[in-house]
Amino acid sequence: QVQLQESGPGLVKPSETLSLTCTVSGGSINTYHWTWIRQPPGKGLEWIGYIYNGVITNYNPSLKSRATISVDTSENQFSLKLSSVTAADTAVYYCAGGSGACYECFHHWGQGTLVTVSS
Amino acid sequence: DIVMTQSPDSLAVSLGERATINCRSSQSVLQSSNNRHYLAWYQQIPGQPPKLLIYWASTRESGVPDRFSGSGSGTDFTLTISSLQAEDVAVYYCHQYYSTPWTFGQGTKVEIK
Repeated sequence: QVQLQESGPGLVKPSETLSLTCTVSGGSINTYHWTWIRQPPGKGLEWIGYIYNGVITNYNPSLKSRATISVDTSENQFSLKLSSVTAADTAVYYCAGGSGACYECFHHWGQGTLVTVSS
Repeated sequence: DIVMTQSPDSLAVSLGERATINCRSSQSVLQSSNNRHYLAWYQQIPGQPPKLLIYWASTRESGVPDRFSGSGSGTDFTLTISSLQAEDVAVYYCHQYYSTPWTFGQGTKVEIK
């Protein structure tokens, strides 16, 4: 069974870079889409981007090129970096992954990690 | 971007009764090459991550109770809970993965009447 776990700082200062890691167990990081999604407190879901086959990335243009997703195959992890953060980036960040039935669907989710942007 | 619009924003249904949530996409999410609708439904119980219920508009995820069903085509889709249970209280989201940026509906909150 595939399990995902996010890790990273819960507090980031404005203008700095948010860095999160998702550790995948029970599945290979080299297949399917591995995605980051966020949810501001009390609001809906926003797709941030994905990495596919370890190298192909796609990002939400709303983030204005601030997001970077990468893979560490040796650790079976994928990571998110979001630069120049502001208070508007405060959210619960989820990592999610697909499966053979639907590569682009989010069959597997981490529990989410709250990141607060504040000085 | 494909805009996903759900209706209603919230609804209250008696236990055992039917709940129906609608989702409209601003353009078709049908891939003609494989005749599949790139539309999924998620359930989010408060304090938990979302959970995949339905994909390809009508395929139930493994382990999801059969009281949940998805239907629709083109730009109009429906999630139906045939007999609402207490554990179904949640926010439900539709999601299109036809084209990036992948987008979600605003969510529909389902409560017990």
